[in-house]
Amino acid sequence: GESVGLHLPTLSVQEGDNSIINCAYSNSASDYFIWYKQESGKGPQFIIDIRSNMDKRQGQRVTVLLNKTVKHLSLQIAATQPGDSAVYFCAENDRGFKTIFGAGTRLFVKA
Amino acid sequence: DTAVSQTPKYLVTQMGNDKSIKCEQNLGHDTMYWYKQDSKKFLKIMFSYNNKELIINETVPNRFSPKSPDKAHLNLHINSLELGDSAVYFCASSQQAVSYNSPLHFGNGTRLTVT
Repeated sequence: GESVGLHLPTLSVQEGDNSIINCAYSNSASDYFIWYKQESGKGPQFIIDIRSNMDKRQGQRVTVLLNKTVKHLSLQIAATQPGDSAVYFCAENDRGFKTIFGAGTRLFVKA
Repeated sequence: DTAVSQTPKYLVTQMGNDKSIKCEQNLGHDTMYWYKQDSKKFLKIMFSYNNKELIINETVPNRFSPKSPDKAHLNLHINSLELGDSAVYFCASSQQAVSYNSPLHFGNGTRLTVT
C-alpha cells in the first residue's frame, strides 16, 4: 500500500548547525515530492518540492535530495535557526488527486 | 489577506451533536481539500473537490458531508459527532485538480473536541 514514513520522529540540533530530515516512501509510482513545515497552531506550509526527474533542488537555506533507487527523500536545512523549530512532513503524489503525507518529524533547535 | 481561511478555529461540542466547519480560499484555485490530523500529527485526506465536483472521498463515514457552493468555498458538516471525531481538521487548496507540481495551501485548522 501507499506509505510515506520518516526515519526520525524527533530531531534536536544546535542553533547554527545543519539539519537533515529523512523520509522513506514506498509508492514507486510517486513522481512529485513536497516538504511542508508545520508550526504550532498553524497549518502545514510549503517549503520546497522536487519532481522525480531531478535528484536535487535548492531553495533558500533548504535543499531537497531525492534518491529514487532506494525511495528516499531528505530535507537539509543550513544554519538552523530557532524559527526552524516545527514539525516537518514529507509528502508524495503519483499524478493523482491525492497528496499522501508522512508521519512528521519534530525539529527542536537549541539556542 | 489570508489565503485559506477556516472557521471556527476551535469547536467544543458534545457527542451526538451536528456541527459545521467553513472554509474559503482567495487564491483562485480550482481544487479544495479536507484533511484530518490526529493527536499523533498524522495527516489524512478526507475529501477533495474540483470546481464544486467531488473527486476524492476517502472512506470517510457518511456522517461527514462536504459541500462546495462554489470553487472558493468548501464546507464540512458532521452529523452525530463521536469521541473519535476529535482532531484538527485542515482545509487546503491547490491550483490544479491533479496536484502534480501544485503544492497544497493550508488553512490554520479547526480543533474539534467532542466530549
